[in-house]
Amino acid sequence: AQSVTQLDSQVPVFEEAPVELRCNYSSSVSVYLFWYVQYPNQGLQLLLKYLSGSTLVKGINGFEAEFNKSQTSFHLRKPSVHISDTAEYFCAVSMVMNRDDKIIFGKGTRLHILP
Amino acid sequence: KAGVTQTPRYLIKTRGQQVTLSCSPISGHRSVSWYQQTPGQGLQFLFEYFSETQRNKGNFPGRFSGRQFSNSRSEMNVSTLELGDSALYLCASSGVLDQETQYFGPGTRLLVL
Repeated sequence: AQSVTQLDSQVPVFEEAPVELRCNYSSSVSVYLFWYVQYPNQGLQLLLKYLSGSTLVKGINGFEAEFNKSQTSFHLRKPSVHISDTAEYFCAVSMVMNRDDKIIFGKGTRLHILP
Repeated sequence: KAGVTQTPRYLIKTRGQQVTLSCSPISGHRSVSWYQQTPGQGLQFLFEYFSETQRNKGNFPGRFSGRQFSNSRSEMNVSTLELGDSALYLCASSGVLDQETQYFGPGTRLLVL
């Protein structure tokens, strides 16, 4: 069975500082990986996704993530955060071979931007 | 192309009542999934419909049910509401060309008193 672990429930970081949000997954088969962002009182918005190919994936709002198969990780990074990045971030995984199966979400990481 | 829409956006009910939530997927999308989001449990998968058939189901009691219509619009029903059903209910759709990606609506916030 698949599972997703977001190691940090909350991450405080100063404005214009870099940030990394960690995500590890567990799966016995190849997976697709996703990061979603949820702003207050809104639904989830897709930030980026890894399907295949280059392990470094660039998304919207200056975010990027790197797929590391040996470490089963898909950490999200941004070199310089802005106050508008304050939100909750969710990592998710689904199986490549069985697209009928559901997507599994992590518990989320709340990013707090400090002035 | 319009995004996923959900109605109503906010709802207040009392215990024992039943509620129906509606979701209209992105045009052309045939898969619709429902999630419950609460501060304690996070995002939990309820069920998924594809071409009017339930394809997947999460671990929720039978009080939670859904259906999908021929135009891919979906409804979710919760009967005999409990206080613990207070949550944000999110709907997501996916298309044929990128069926691995889910696109979410803004959600319906349900408060059970």
